[in-house]
Amino acid sequence: DAGVIQSPRHEVTEMGQEVTLRCKPISGHNSLFWYRQTMMRGLELLIYFNNNVPIDDSGMPEDRFSAKMPNASFSTLKIQPSEPRDSAVYFCASSVGQGGVSGPQHFGDGTRLSIL
Amino acid sequence: AQSVTQPDIHITVSEGASLELRCNYSYGATPYLFWYVQSPGQGLQLLLKYFSGDTLVQGIKGFEAEFKRSQSSFNLRKPSVHWSDAAEYFCAVGAQSQAGTALIFGKGTTLSVSS
Repeated sequence: DAGVIQSPRHEVTEMGQEVTLRCKPISGHNSLFWYRQTMMRGLELLIYFNNNVPIDDSGMPEDRFSAKMPNASFSTLKIQPSEPRDSAVYFCASSVGQGGVSGPQHFGDGTRLSIL
Repeated sequence: AQSVTQPDIHITVSEGASLELRCNYSYGATPYLFWYVQSPGQGLQLLLKYFSGDTLVQGIKGFEAEFKRSQSSFNLRKPSVHWSDAAEYFCAVGAQSQAGTALIFGKGTTLSVSS
């Protein structure tokens, strides 16, 4: 079975540029999560969607970050303009509701983002 | 405030020895608890989860964890560690919700296995 697919795996870009990270959740999963991982702060939830609707975006650092989920099989996380402090590994995860509760999250392999 | 604490940043265990990784949580509601493992350059893989019922849960790769409500703990154990278990381990807690479970992760424990 195909897992959560993220692209690109690596992104290196200069400060000020727009960055778009992409995620394809597991087919049939109805919740999608974006996390950021850094050495200093560990794993932080940025935003999550349920049935394509944003549920909680309180973890989004600032207005430079935006996320969309136009359909059940695709989501994007955009940073514009990017800054060096945005350098991190960004993970996407998905899950499906089971028996009234959300099942465990399945993670993609992440996008390693470096902003120069 | 909701939080997860993994007191040990780095642990080294001899191959074949037993392992226990500690996890303490602070959560107002009934917790939904997880252990994930992350190998270098990879995403997180679910080892096991606790939802309800038996407080001793079995996971993949021979791991188990015990939920102790009185101690707010969910420690991960393995009776005999293999060199391939060297990785980073994360404990996480979330709410039981149909509309997605937003997880709070601990900072992780790095496991090294010596021969």
